[in-house]
Amino acid sequence: QAVVTQEPSLTVSPGGTVTLTCGSSIGAVTSDQYPCWFQRKPGQAPRTLIYDTNNKLSWTPARFSGSLLGGKGALTLSGAQPEDEAEYYCLLSYSDVRVFGGGTKLTVL
Amino acid sequence: EVQLVESGGGLIKPGGSLRLSCAASGFTFINVWMTWVRQAPGKGLEWLGRVKGRAHGGTTDYAESVRGRFTISRDDSKNMVFLQMDSLKSEDTAVYYCSRDLHYWGQGTLVTVSS
Repeated sequence: QAVVTQEPSLTVSPGGTVTLTCGSSIGAVTSDQYPCWFQRKPGQAPRTLIYDTNNKLSWTPARFSGSLLGGKGALTLSGAQPEDEAEYYCLLSYSDVRVFGGGTKLTVL
Repeated sequence: EVQLVESGGGLIKPGGSLRLSCAASGFTFINVWMTWVRQAPGKGLEWLGRVKGRAHGGTTDYAESVRGRFTISRDDSKNMVFLQMDSLKSEDTAVYYCSRDLHYWGQGTLVTVSS
């Protein structure tokens, strides 16, 4: 089974910009893997932010955006807010199976 | 309003079986793809499997880690999806979530596998 890699932890200053990445052990991440991004806060259900690389849901704050960057999936947060402190998970599709990355703990400090 | 409510979790002995349910409301259920995801204590999210909507044949796909032990099914007449878990192990202890299209999520149900 493929392994999906994410930075274990990142720190961003309030108002700053940070990019989280999502790599694949098999090769470059492509749009055919429909990268998704989820936010996870303690005690809450996952919240989907981005699907199919760069599509937002109605509740996705405008400061979040998705893309492909250097052969990886990417989630960029521009103008970080204290409430963005959370774990972020990406999910990639491998034919009929999907695999989560290990998650990135984002600290806003 | 989309609502997903999981139920059926609890304490189960290793080797036992458990069936989780997810009741869906607030949308047309028949053609949506439903997914099960879990999170073990101190671990990340794990995709378990999905059942496609009727328009895509209602077929299922599973993660390698649970294939052969877990079975996903759906009852479109009741707007429900199920996760049948057999031969449970301690490492199956987790909060189990159902999701619609990986966009909407339930609040989860806790499964504890322990003797």
